[in-house]
Amino acid sequence: AQSVTQLDSHVSVSEGTPVLLRCNYSSSYSPSLFWYVQHPNKGLQLLLKYTSAATLVKGINGFEAEFKKSETSFHLTKPSAHMSDAAEYFCVVSDWGYQKVTFGIGTKLQVIP
Amino acid sequence: NAGVTQTPKFRVLKTGQSMTLLCAQDMNHEYMYWYRQDPGMGLRLIHYSVGEGTTAKGEVPDGYNVSRLKKQNFLLGLESAAPSQTSVYFCASARDQGLETQYFGPGTRLLVL
Repeated sequence: AQSVTQLDSHVSVSEGTPVLLRCNYSSSYSPSLFWYVQHPNKGLQLLLKYTSAATLVKGINGFEAEFKKSETSFHLTKPSAHMSDAAEYFCVVSDWGYQKVTFGIGTKLQVIP
Repeated sequence: NAGVTQTPKFRVLKTGQSMTLLCAQDMNHEYMYWYRQDPGMGLRLIHYSVGEGTTAKGEVPDGYNVSRLKKQNFLLGLESAAPSQTSVYFCASARDQGLETQYFGPGTRLLVL
């Protein structure tokens, strides 16, 4: 069985400060892990993907995530938040064959000017 | 390219009414998907298609039917709408099976009274 837990439903940061969105997963195999972003009234957009090549994954718009197997975590970070980062972020776990894909419930990021 | 488009953007139905949601893609993708997104929950897969003329059940298929008569279109039907089907519906298309290759449409908001 697999599952994904996004530990915060809402995160609020000031513009220019670091962003940390937390995600823990459980899986009985070596999973693929993803972060997606959804801006209001838009579809989901892929930020980054982890498959196994490197534990630190760099994505678009300055985001990155670190896979920590011992902690079963895949937290999303960004050094400095921009107003345009305000959106909802989803952590996703998938098995290798994409037969089972599980989305987290999402974390809404608010960026305060 | 328009990418993935969804029609309509918003609809209100009464319980028991029927309707069809249309998803269209102009990228010649083989794979197409229908998801629903509910508050406090991640996206859940309703049905998917791996090519023209094929369909398969996802995680939450009950109450929905789909058809893929043309490669570029994937229709989602509700034969007898129920309030539990109030949701935001997202369509996605992909060139292959990988989650990261999926392009998402902007969504259809459906309210069933």
